[in-house]
Amino acid sequence: EAQVTQNPRYLITVTGKKLTVTCSQNMNHEYMSWYRQDPGLGLRQIYYSMNVEVTDKGDVPEGYKVSRKEKRNFPLILESPSPNQTSLYFCASSLDDPGNTGELFFGEGSRLTVL
Amino acid sequence: AQSVTQPDIHITVSEGASLELRCNYSYGATPYLFWYVQSPGQGLQLLLKYFSGDTLVQGIKGFEAEFKRSQSSFNLRKPSVHWSDAAEYFCAVGQASSYKLIFGSGTRLLVRP
Repeated sequence: EAQVTQNPRYLITVTGKKLTVTCSQNMNHEYMSWYRQDPGLGLRQIYYSMNVEVTDKGDVPEGYKVSRKEKRNFPLILESPSPNQTSLYFCASSLDDPGNTGELFFGEGSRLTVL
Repeated sequence: AQSVTQPDIHITVSEGASLELRCNYSYGATPYLFWYVQSPGQGLQLLLKYFSGDTLVQGIKGFEAEFKRSQSSFNLRKPSVHWSDAAEYFCAVGQASSYKLIFGSGTRLLVRP
């Protein structure tokens, strides 16, 4: 089954404790991206990657890091989480630039709470 | 800058009634337009998309949307709503080589029995 898998689905942590949210896709997609969803703000892009070892900032990259060492994986790293990073995070993938294809495949989301 | 506005935060309709969700965009050229649906606890799923051509596009689950350039709108419609349509709906705009979609803030649909 074609899917985007995120882990963990739920996480409560404390300020400053490094964490990683993993994302894996089994569709051989070139493009992967992270979004955060906040009430009243919709989804905002954090980082994206068009290929292995190629990553770039989205609209809200501060406080986050990513890596793309393998095509299927795109982890999101919070080196020193702060309460304003409490949010619902989505990983998404696409065969190509979604601005061209329009179709993003989303994971089920990871709800992160930073105390 | 591109932007997407969904003016209705919540909409409640009765089962069997018709539905229209509003979406307005701001963009200099002809945008690529999309509607996504998010069911509770799930990721987003593409309902339909408009790139060019016929301004009335059909999607999955009986939804359709109409692109109106003069009004900068891309409203989503369904003639008869089912209880399973209760979800949050997001309008999005894209541009070739932008490497992202820009999402509206969403409209939550509630369906009365």
